[in-house]
Amino acid sequence: AQSVTQLGSHVSVSEGALVLLRCNYSSSVPPYLFWYVQYPNQGLQLLLKYTSAATLVKGINGFEAEFKKSETSFHLTKPSAHMSDAAEYFCAASHSGGSNYKLTFGKGTLLTVNP
Amino acid sequence: GAVVSQHPSWVICKSGTSVKIECRSLDFQATTMFWYRQFPKQSLMLMATSNEGSKATYEQGVEKDKFLINHASLTLSTLTVTSAHPEDSSFYICSARAAGEGWTEAFFGQGTRLTVV
Repeated sequence: AQSVTQLGSHVSVSEGALVLLRCNYSSSVPPYLFWYVQYPNQGLQLLLKYTSAATLVKGINGFEAEFKKSETSFHLTKPSAHMSDAAEYFCAASHSGGSNYKLTFGKGTLLTVNP
Repeated sequence: GAVVSQHPSWVICKSGTSVKIECRSLDFQATTMFWYRQFPKQSLMLMATSNEGSKATYEQGVEKDKFLINHASLTLSTLTVTSAHPEDSSFYICSARAAGEGWTEAFFGQGTRLTVV
């Protein structure tokens, strides 16, 4: 069974500092990988996705993530945090193909940005 | 990106009544839709997967008769919480995916906050 692990349920950074949110997956076959952001009482918005093309993926709002097969990781980074980045972030994985498409989510990381 | 609209965004109902939540794909045909439940400060829990025109597939532990899912068209799926009780209070989120290998991600609705009193 596939699983997604997000290290750190809560990450706190200062405004302007580097943001690093960690995600590891467990799968014998590299899955599709996604990062979503959720603001309070809202649904999920896709930040970026890895679908076996380029290993360094750039997303919206200045976020990027690098797929590292040897480390089974897909960490999310942003060079300079902004107050508006404060939200819950979810890493998710899925395998291609099949009649259904299920996302396996990590438990989420709450990012707080301090002024 | 594609847009998924979920309605209502919040609802309060009395214990014992039923509540229907709609999930619509506005600019694409959603062959598969997913319903999730999210408890406070927790991740999303998949409740069921529905394919247009067929019965939904429920995850283990999810009561089929409690959470009725209908996916009658390629743009609409509904979740009905029957005989709701306070423990059904939660945040419910739908997502939708179009057919075809080019569609690798699912798009999410904005969620519905259900409070049963």
